[in-house]
Amino acid sequence: GENVEQHPSTLSVQEGDSAVIKCTYSDSASNYFPWYKQELGKRPQLIIDIRSNVGEKKDQRIAVTLNKTAKHFSLHITETQPEDSAVYFCAASIEYGQNFVFGPGTRLSVLP
Amino acid sequence: DSGVTQTPKHLITATGQRVTLRCSPRSGDLSVYWYQQSLDQGLQFLIHYYNGEERAKGNILERFSAQQFPDLHSELNLSSLELGDSALYFCASSAGGGDGNTIYFGEGSWLTVV
Repeated sequence: GENVEQHPSTLSVQEGDSAVIKCTYSDSASNYFPWYKQELGKRPQLIIDIRSNVGEKKDQRIAVTLNKTAKHFSLHITETQPEDSAVYFCAASIEYGQNFVFGPGTRLSVLP
Repeated sequence: DSGVTQTPKHLITATGQRVTLRCSPRSGDLSVYWYQQSLDQGLQFLIHYYNGEERAKGNILERFSAQQFPDLHSELNLSSLELGDSALYFCASSAGGGDGNTIYFGEGSWLTVV
């Protein structure tokens, strides 16, 4: 089955700096890669996703890149703000295959 | 609001007891997933149902069971509860074959076993 690894497990950046979180997956059939943000005690919320027919997707300060050959994808957050502090989870799935595997999460702290 | 409804929001119960957690998916979603999140841990996949049928099973204990009903709501039953079962239990839903595979989480059910 699919296995998703995520690095780093914790990340501290200064406000205004960029943050990058990387995930690798094992199943070459996976073709849908969402990212979720979870604040303390809250539900994970989708922040951005990418499908395998696209190499990069951007939404304001957030971008995701995908390298299908290497089987890894990354989340980039620019101009970080304190409210970006949260745990971020990546996931991989086979679209229409209906199985979601999450990475172990990255705790991002943005220091003022 | 994701449209996924979970009840109860909080539950405190004693060891050895049994509880049922309920989930109503977003309108039109056929897939329901259950995840367990212990304190400061990741999202542990428990089970996935699609249109009433079990589709995938994760590391779900034998003391736990789930089902999805004809109206598509789902219940997660936890029995012979142990202290280690204390966790936040999330339900998520997706269209599951419709316009994509994005899953949306409910607010979760906090279970405390004392």
